[in-house]
Formats: sequence, structure tokens, C-alpha cells
Amino acid sequence: NAGVTQTPKFRILKIGQSMTLQCAQDMNHNYMYWYRQDPGMGLKLIYYSVGAGITDKGEVPNGYNVSRSTTEDFPLRLELAAPSQTSVYFCASSYGLGTGVYNEQFFGPGTRLTVL
Amino acid sequence: QKEVEQNSGPLSVPEGAIASLNCTYSDRGSQSFFWYRQYSGKSPELIMFIYSNGDKEDGRFTAQLNKASQYVSLLIRDSQPSDSATYLCAVNRGGSARQLTFGSGTQLTVLP
Repeated sequence: NAGVTQTPKFRILKIGQSMTLQCAQDMNHNYMYWYRQDPGMGLKLIYYSVGAGITDKGEVPNGYNVSRSTTEDFPLRLELAAPSQTSVYFCASSYGLGTGVYNEQFFGPGTRLTVL
Repeated sequence: QKEVEQNSGPLSVPEGAIASLNCTYSDRGSQSFFWYRQYSGKSPELIMFIYSNGDKEDGRFTAQLNKASQYVSLLIRDSQPSDSATYLCAVNRGGSARQLTFGSGTQLTVLP
């Protein structure tokens, strides 16, 4: 199993450009998440999905969009990139089964994005 | 008040010592608690989770949970230089989305 994969690893965008960060998992997880991590900070939830066709906003959704057409893929779209979106982006997934008392999230390797 | 608070550190301990990392949370309805380790430039990896009051041990790691005090800690015994990393505390507040709320992390350095 590859686990959670993300592409690209690095990207530099100019202000106003758009791009899609790709995320895929091969663990048949129902739940998928997008986080951003700014230097010296924890992870902030951007969007999440509890299954194909179902997405919802997290703590910091402005400037981003997502879709979930399959169980495996959960791309994150940045429209009109701004310097404030310079960050490391992590995708994660989890089973989302059981009582929900505990639920490990598995993380991808991250995408380091710089907006100039 | 932040939802999940950690001392940012940096915390330095000598090799072989016990490292103690602390985390407090604000939502009394929180159900489960996770400690992730993150090496510089890498993604977080889970090292412990706990959901019942008391201690949970796994090798050199012990997680401690006190729901009355809204406090969770991680002890690392016999600390090694390879334990040098940022440790993130994460809290699952329940609900259908299984969302985790992360603290800002504590940077630990184990000195040889």
C-alpha cells in the first residue's frame, strides 16, 4: 500500500494564479482531510470529506475549494493564489468507522507551496 | 482561550532523561486524544492515542489523561537524540466528522 500520496511536493505560484493539489489514498478510507501548516504552528483544517460526494468546510476554508468524486481522491483547488496561502499542505485520511471515540488519521508527505 | 494549548518550547533534555510534554484542552466533551510526532520537513506520524482517564504505556512512551483537569501529557523515558522532533497534541471532540483539533506543538531536543 502506498498510503496517502500527494502531488506536487513543491510549487511556486504567482499571485492570482490557480492550481490543484492532488491527494489520493489506497486504504479504502471514508474520511479525508486537508490541512495547512504555517511555520511553527499546528495544523489547521481547511476542508474535509466523510465520503464520495460529501464535503464540508473546516476552520480556514476561504480561498480554497474541494471535490470528492471517488473514495480514493480528494483534490484541493486554490483559486487566485495570495501570499497568505504560502504554507505546507497536508492531506490525511481515516476509516471513520466505529464509535468515533478514537480515529487515527494517516498523513501524506505534504506539498510545500510558495506564493510570490 | 485556544482550544488545544501546548507549551511551544523549545524543550531540551539530556539523553537518557525523561521528557514531559503537556497539553490542555478547552472542550469538556472531547473524547479522544492523540500525540503525533513530526520531524522537521516531514508529515506528522501517530505515536500514541488515549481515551480513558489514567495512563497508557507503549514502550518508552506513556500517555496520561485527566479529563477532570482537561489535561493530557506524554512522557518519553530514556530519551534518545532520535526523539528530537515537534510533538503535536490533537483532540477529537466527537461528532460525525471525526475532526481533530491540533495544538501548535512542542519542539523537543534531546542532547547527546
